[in-house]
Amino acid sequence: NAGVTQTPKFRILKIGQSMTLQCAQDMNHNYMYWYRQDPGMGLKLIYYSVGAGITDKGEVPNGYNVSRSTTEDFPLRLELAAPSQTSVYFCASSPSEGYNSPLHFGNGTRLTVT
Amino acid sequence: AQSVAQPEDQVNVAEGNPLTVKCTYSVSGNPYLFWYVQYPNRGLQFLLKYITGDNLVKGSYGFEAEFNKSQTSFHLKKPSALVSDSALYFCAVSPTSGTYKYIFGTGTRLKVLA
Repeated sequence: NAGVTQTPKFRILKIGQSMTLQCAQDMNHNYMYWYRQDPGMGLKLIYYSVGAGITDKGEVPNGYNVSRSTTEDFPLRLELAAPSQTSVYFCASSPSEGYNSPLHFGNGTRLTVT
Repeated sequence: AQSVAQPEDQVNVAEGNPLTVKCTYSVSGNPYLFWYVQYPNRGLQFLLKYITGDNLVKGSYGFEAEFNKSQTSFHLKKPSALVSDSALYFCAVSPTSGTYKYIFGTGTRLKVLA
């Protein structure tokens, strides 16, 4: 069971470039999340989804977009990359029980924008 | 505003000694409470959760956590620390109403000294 798989593991972007961070889960979880982790700041929620075709903004959505066409995949799109988007990005999922279910995290994508 | 506080950026403890990592929260209602651990270059891993019932919750790797409703605290404990426990620990709260948005603390780095 692979769990939550994120690709790529590392990426360096130039300012203004775009990219898509991939996230896939094989646990048939309805809920999926994108977080960014900055030193000393904990995790900030970017976007989340409660099922295929349904997405919503989190705390820090500006500069990002998501889609959820299938239960398994939840890609995060960065348009016009900026140095402020340098961070470690984590995708997570949880089952339908929602509130009391722990999150399952991928191993992250480390992104540097220069 | 709802928040989770981890007042210590780092906790140092000698191997074999008991450890405590502190967490307090300010969230309306009766939220669900979680602890996660993060090892280098990995995603967060679930340790334990409090939903209801006994105030002392046992989790993975010998960790436990004590819930105190009057102090709105959820401190992580272990009777005897191991060097391998050295990692970054996150407290998280899941509100029991509204959207499925977990609130994370900023993390506490635990260093267990041999």
